[in-house]
Amino acid sequence: NAGVTQTPKFRILKIGQSMTLQCTQDMNHNYMYWYRQDPGMGLKLIYYSVGAGITDKGEVPNGYNVSRSTTEDFPLRLELAAPSQTSVYFCASSYSRPGDTGELFFGEGSRLTVL
Amino acid sequence: QKEVEQNSGPLSVPEGAIASLNCTYSDRGSQSFFWYRQYSGKSPELIMFIYSNGDKEDGRFTAQLNKASQYVSLLIRDSQPSDSATYLCAVKLTGGFKTIFGAGTRLFVKA
Repeated sequence: NAGVTQTPKFRILKIGQSMTLQCTQDMNHNYMYWYRQDPGMGLKLIYYSVGAGITDKGEVPNGYNVSRSTTEDFPLRLELAAPSQTSVYFCASSYSRPGDTGELFFGEGSRLTVL
Repeated sequence: QKEVEQNSGPLSVPEGAIASLNCTYSDRGSQSFFWYRQYSGKSPELIMFIYSNGDKEDGRFTAQLNKASQYVSLLIRDSQPSDSATYLCAVKLTGGFKTIFGAGTRLFVKA
């Protein structure tokens, strides 16, 4: 199994450009998440989804949008990129079955620089 | 805003010593608590999960939970240089949907 796959791994954007970070998982997880991690900091939750068609805001949603049309895919859209969005973005997923630990399975991360 | 607080470190211990990492959380209804290890440039990986008050041991790692004090800790016995990493405390919030993280504690184990 591939687990959680993120693309691209690296990207440089100019201020004001837009882009989509792709995330797909093959573990049939209902729950999916997007986090950002600034240098030397922990992970901040941007958006999350508990199933296809259902999304909600996390701690730092401003400047981002998400959609969840399938169980497998959870893309993160950046509109009008700003230098403050320079960060490493992690997609994660987890099971939602009763008794599951809630462990998050992470992708390898996408390093985004906005200049 | 729910929060998870950790000692920022860095924490430096000699090889073979016990490393003690601490975490407090603000959401009193939280039921699940996690410790993730993150090597530089890599994604986090789960090392411990705890949901009951008391201690949980797994090899050289012991997680301790005190819900009354809203406190979680991680002890690493016989620390090895390979344990040098950032340790992230994570809390699954009331409702069971969102998991939030602390800022992490950077651990250095000196050979």
